[in-house]
Amino acid sequence: ILNVEQSPQSLHVQEGDSTNFTCSFPSSNFYALHWYRWETAKSPEALFVMTLNGDEKKKGRISATLNTKEGYSYLYIKGSQPEDSATYLCALLNYGGSQGNLIFGKGTKLSVKP
Amino acid sequence: SQTIHQWPATLVQPVGSPLSLECTVEGTSNPNLYWYRQAAGRGLQLLFYSVGIGQISSEVPQNLSASRPQDRQFILSSKKLLLSDSGFYLCAWSVGGVNQPQHFGDGTRLSIL
Repeated sequence: ILNVEQSPQSLHVQEGDSTNFTCSFPSSNFYALHWYRWETAKSPEALFVMTLNGDEKKKGRISATLNTKEGYSYLYIKGSQPEDSATYLCALLNYGGSQGNLIFGKGTKLSVKP
Repeated sequence: SQTIHQWPATLVQPVGSPLSLECTVEGTSNPNLYWYRQAAGRGLQLLFYSVGIGQISSEVPQNLSASRPQDRQFILSSKKLLLSDSGFYLCAWSVGGVNQPQHFGDGTRLSIL
């Protein structure tokens, strides 16, 4: 059974702090890694889909890196704001093809204090 | 633009009662469709996925079933709910390709009494 691990489980930071968290996954048979942001009372929203080793993607103050050989991805948030408070999920695409079945980690819950 | 509708938002059902949750997608054709559940303290778990009308694949053995009677309609059902069916259910869609994200509905909170 494939396992996707995220750490830390939760994180409390002050507004303006930069932060990062980790997603670890089996490095064999890698196809893609997804990052989602899930705010309370909303639906998960896609942040990034990463497919290439060494890939780095950026969306505003949020960026992510990918190491498929060692099986990890980092998500960085620069200058955290209260609106960044959410649970950040990573998910591994466990095989290619059209289905896109994802295996999710349990998420990192980020709380940003004003 | 594409939208996904999922209902109801919350549901309280007694043990042994039937279940029907519905999900519809607009603005796209032949999407891949998914049902996920998040049980307390656990990550999102894929329950069913579908690549076309009438085509359903199940990821885990369970008390639930899914159907896709139309291209953009995905239904999650049970004949008799168990306490362990409680959780948060999310429907999602995507188009094919390894670099395509999934797009989620707002979810249904199901409580079994």
